[in-house]
Amino acid sequence: GENVEQHPSTLSVQEGDSAVIKCTYSDSASNYFPWYKQELGKRPQLIIDIRSNVGEKKDQRIAVTLNKTAKHFSLHITETQPEDSAVYFCAASLGYSTLTFGKGTMLLVSP
Amino acid sequence: GAGVSQSPRYKVAKRGQDVALRCDPISGHVSLFWYQQALGQGPEFLTYFQNEAQLDKSGLPSDRFFAERPEGSVSTLKIQRTQQEDSAVYLCASSLPQGVDNEQFFGPGTRLTVL
Repeated sequence: GENVEQHPSTLSVQEGDSAVIKCTYSDSASNYFPWYKQELGKRPQLIIDIRSNVGEKKDQRIAVTLNKTAKHFSLHITETQPEDSAVYFCAASLGYSTLTFGKGTMLLVSP
Repeated sequence: GAGVSQSPRYKVAKRGQDVALRCDPISGHVSLFWYQQALGQGPEFLTYFQNEAQLDKSGLPSDRFFAERPEGSVSTLKIQRTQQEDSAVYLCASSLPQGVDNEQFFGPGTRLTVL
């Protein structure tokens, strides 16, 4: 089955800096890659996703890149703000169905 | 405009008790997923329904876990003879059919603590 590795497990940045979180996946057939943000005690919420026919997608301060050959994808957050502090999960799926999640990255943005 | 809801939000059970966790998906969402999230970990897949059909239950950790969605809407995850290792947050998610939209909308979860 699919296996998703996520790095780093924790990331501390100063407000205004950029943050990058990287994930690799094992199943080359996976074709959908969402990123979820989960604040403490809250539900995971989708922040951006990318499909395998696209190499990059951007939404304001957030961007995701996908390298199908290397089987890795990354989340980029620019101009970080304290409210970006949360746990971020990458995920992969085959057939736009069951998600396999990474272990998460705790992002701390210090004012 | 209600999102996915789950009840109860918190459940404390003594080891050996049976528990039932409820999920109300977004109206019109035919796909429903259950995930288990241990402390400090990512959600892990348990089972998947399309309408009332349970299409994948490969993630259920043992035969003590059982899920149903008899009318294709509300779903119940039942855990029999709970064990301490069952302590986790149980998340439910729903989505439109495959190929229409892929986003899975999550509920707030049920935090199960087995003493």
